Amino acid sequence: DVVMTQSPLSLPVTLGQPASISCRSSQSLVHSDGNTYLNWFQQRPGQSPRRLIYKVSNRDSGVPDRFSGSGSGTDFTLKISRVEAEDVGVYYCMQGTHWPPCTFGPGTKVDI
Amino acid sequence: EVQLVESGGGLVQPGGSLRLSCAASGFTFSTYWMTWVRQAPGKGLEWVANIKQDGSEKYYVDSVKGRFTISRDNAKNSLYLQMNNLRAEDSAVYYCAREVRCRDWGQGTLVTVSS
Repeated sequence: DVVMTQSPLSLPVTLGQPASISCRSSQSLVHSDGNTYLNWFQQRPGQSPRRLIYKVSNRDSGVPDRFSGSGSGTDFTLKISRVEAEDVGVYYCMQGTHWPPCTFGPGTKVDI
Repeated sequence: EVQLVESGGGLVQPGGSLRLSCAASGFTFSTYWMTWVRQAPGKGLEWVANIKQDGSEKYYVDSVKGRFTISRDNAKNSLYLQMNNLRAEDSAVYYCAREVRCRDWGQGTLVTVSS
């Protein structure tokens, strides 16, 4: 199975300041169809996960443009350009290239 | 609007069984792979199983193979997870999700395995 790692695991942030989360995979996430199936999810306290980003850099509908994803191969990054209070929660990366199973990173807890 | 509503969770003794359900609406259920993901208390996310549109392909994480069975009823827009021989380590919130790569999620249902 593909192992996903994230850093940092805990990220204290300041409102209005940028934040960045790194995600790495144990093997390349480039699929034979040419796509890279790396997703980012946000889980606010007490809520179910919500997909923010799919295929590395595509924002889901309704996701603020302060969230952006980048990367390739085995190294990926989620950036928040200016942190807002509603961004507090845990962020997970997930690979969907080499399934089954899809595998998640351990999560990065973002708090103010 | 896509809606996924899980039900069927509860407290069960080790070795017992539960059947989880997920009622889907707001999209053409029969045209999507569906997935179960779980989250143990205070822990991260773990993919559990998924099923093809017509039920002809099913995949499971190793830790549940032979104990859990995923199924669906496209006429009822419903996804199921039959869980047998439950263990303490199966205690978690179970989410159903749309698509192989978990595009949309339900609110989850809590399963607690304890004597």
